[in-house]
Amino acid sequence: DAGVTQSPTHLIKTRGQQVTLRCSPKSGHDTVSWYQQALGQGPQFIFQYYEEEERQRGNFPDRFSGHQFPNYSSELNVNALLLGDSALYLCASSLVLPGRTDTQYFGPGTRLTVL
Amino acid sequence: SQQGEEDPQALSIQEGENATMNCSYKTSINNLQWYRQNSGRGLVHLILIRSNEREKHSGRLRVTLDTSKKSSSLLITASRAADTASYFCATDSGWGAQKLVFGQGTRLTINP
Repeated sequence: DAGVTQSPTHLIKTRGQQVTLRCSPKSGHDTVSWYQQALGQGPQFIFQYYEEEERQRGNFPDRFSGHQFPNYSSELNVNALLLGDSALYLCASSLVLPGRTDTQYFGPGTRLTVL
Repeated sequence: SQQGEEDPQALSIQEGENATMNCSYKTSINNLQWYRQNSGRGLVHLILIRSNEREKHSGRLRVTLDTSKKSSSLLITASRAADTASYFCATDSGWGAQKLVFGQGTRLTINP
């Protein structure tokens, strides 16, 4: 049973460019959340997708956008990259269950460096 | 913004000793979870404790939750070198797959 997978592992971009990160959820999961983790900090919630729609959003600008596909995989897009966007981007998947909270399982992350 | 604060920020102990990490949070929660992160890679889920639970065990891990003090602790007994990692607490405040709000983590080093 494959866990959460993310691609690519590492990415180097320059300021002003655009980037797309990809995530495949754990088998059987239908919800994908994205987090940004700056060096030495805890992860910060970007947004969450369920049933191909953005369900919740954290305090991130519109430069950050996403998509969820019918197979539940997801993409995170960041436009007009800034130096401050350099971080580890983590994807987490879970299953929405009525009346309870399920554990969120994280992928290995994508390390984005903006030069 | 960060919900919680882990204490201490860094902890260094000898192999075989017990390690205790604390987490405080600010708003009411539904669940609190602990995660481990090795070398800046993905987070590994350790344990989830619900707001109506006070203590939970999993192997060498013991987690307590005090909702009146808005705090939790993670105890790792008989530590091993492989336990060297950063440990994060994360809270959520609703049903379903709610967003997790993380603290800044405790960096644990186990010395052989």
